[in-house]
Amino acid sequence: DIQMTQSPSSLSASVGDRVTITCRASQSITNFLNWYQQKPGKAPNLLIYTASTLKSGVPSRFSGSGSGTDFTLTISSLQPEDFATYYCQQSHSRLWTFGQGTKVEIK
Amino acid sequence: QVQLVESGGGVVQPGRSLRLSCAASGFTFRNYDMHWVRQAPGKGLERVAIISYGGNNNYSADSVKGRFTISRDNSKNTLYLQMNSLRDEDTAVYYCVRPGSGRNFDYWGQGTLVTVSS
Repeated sequence: DIQMTQSPSSLSASVGDRVTITCRASQSITNFLNWYQQKPGKAPNLLIYTASTLKSGVPSRFSGSGSGTDFTLTISSLQPEDFATYYCQQSHSRLWTFGQGTKVEIK
Repeated sequence: QVQLVESGGGVVQPGRSLRLSCAASGFTFRNYDMHWVRQAPGKGLERVAIISYGGNNNYSADSVKGRFTISRDNSKNTLYLQMNSLRDEDTAVYYCVRPGSGRNFDYWGQGTLVTVSS
């Protein structure tokens, strides 16, 4: 199984901050990496797919990069509605797996 | 618009069975692979099972293999998850999910809570 490791597990940030979350795969997944946002009590929402493609309707302050084993999700200027938990997910292998999540909290 | 509505969750004793359903609308159901993804309380996400668009191929996570069966009825636009021999650790919200244009989880239902408890 491909293991996905996110860091940090949680972070505190202020509105307007630039936030970066990293995701590392245990083996190369080329660019089969997706990012999701989940708010409490809600289903996750797809933000970015194939590592760097922004889903239609997602604000441009979100961006993704990386390939192989190392990936990042960047929020260029954190907004109040961005406080949530973020998950990476690989779809390279038959067994699609998620990272453990990164909770973004208000400082 | 794409809609996925799960049903069938509830409280069940360990060792018992439950069947979840997901009613799909707003898209051509028979054209898409479908997934079940679960989330235990306060925990992360786990894909439980996938079924091909025609229903001929499916794959389950090791954690549920031999106990859970995914199936679909394309004439009814409905996805199912038959859960047998339930364990405490199967307690979770179960989501029905449709992929987007690529290999991702794009459209999610609202989820149905399964609680396994004596």
